[in-house]
Amino acid sequence: EVQLVESGGGLVQPGGSLRLSCAASGFTFSSYEMNWVRQAPGKGLEWVSYISSSGSTIYYADSVKGRFTISRDNAKNSLYLQMNSLRAEDTAVYYCARVPSSSWSIISNYFDYWGQGTLVTVSS
Amino acid sequence: QSVLTQPPSVSGAPGQRVTISCTGSSSNIGAGYDVHWYQQLPGTAPKLLIYGNSNRPSGVPDRFSGSKSGTSASLAITGLQAEDEADYYCQSYDSSLSGSLVFGGGTKLTVL
Repeated sequence: EVQLVESGGGLVQPGGSLRLSCAASGFTFSSYEMNWVRQAPGKGLEWVSYISSSGSTIYYADSVKGRFTISRDNAKNSLYLQMNSLRAEDTAVYYCARVPSSSWSIISNYFDYWGQGTLVTVSS
Repeated sequence: QSVLTQPPSVSGAPGQRVTISCTGSSSNIGAGYDVHWYQQLPGTAPKLLIYGNSNRPSGVPDRFSGSKSGTSASLAITGLQAEDEADYYCQSYDSSLSGSLVFGGGTKLTVL
């Protein structure tokens, strides 16, 4: 059974940092592209970042470029999101999401499995 | 303001058919990029409903169908059921932003 479990969320002050993790199981993690998607309270979904299966190709939404860093450790079956210079508008539930193996690039990306999400609250 | 535009809400009675539109532009849906749909029940993570414009993952009832034409896409739900009450999101790729996946603003479906 495919499982994605996020952790690392919490309350952080503006300007602070946080590192989110996503533990994957039930599939060959190293073969799959992954993304982070967030959802502000009461709002819609917003794509945050993409990483290829090897980690060699990375993309970011303009809203987080230069502040967030996506990475993965295929040996540990884990996906990460390092978030720096956090702002109030970064407050959201952050989901890790798997891209099915049939996708050949970010252009065709969609998400077949999602984690349960971890809440990040940026507030003083 | 989302790149893909969806109606904020739609409603229908049990057994009826409803459609949810997703309107884009020449840099996303109109450029030929696929549209995908997700269902989000209250308090849960999104679930893939339709991929590649009109394909259903295994386990998704055939009451759900998707289509795409020009710069728009649509999700149709027939035989509406109470458990269909949820938020629905379309998603695609936009070439005007560097490597950007984009979502619609979401549509709240209310089953009357």
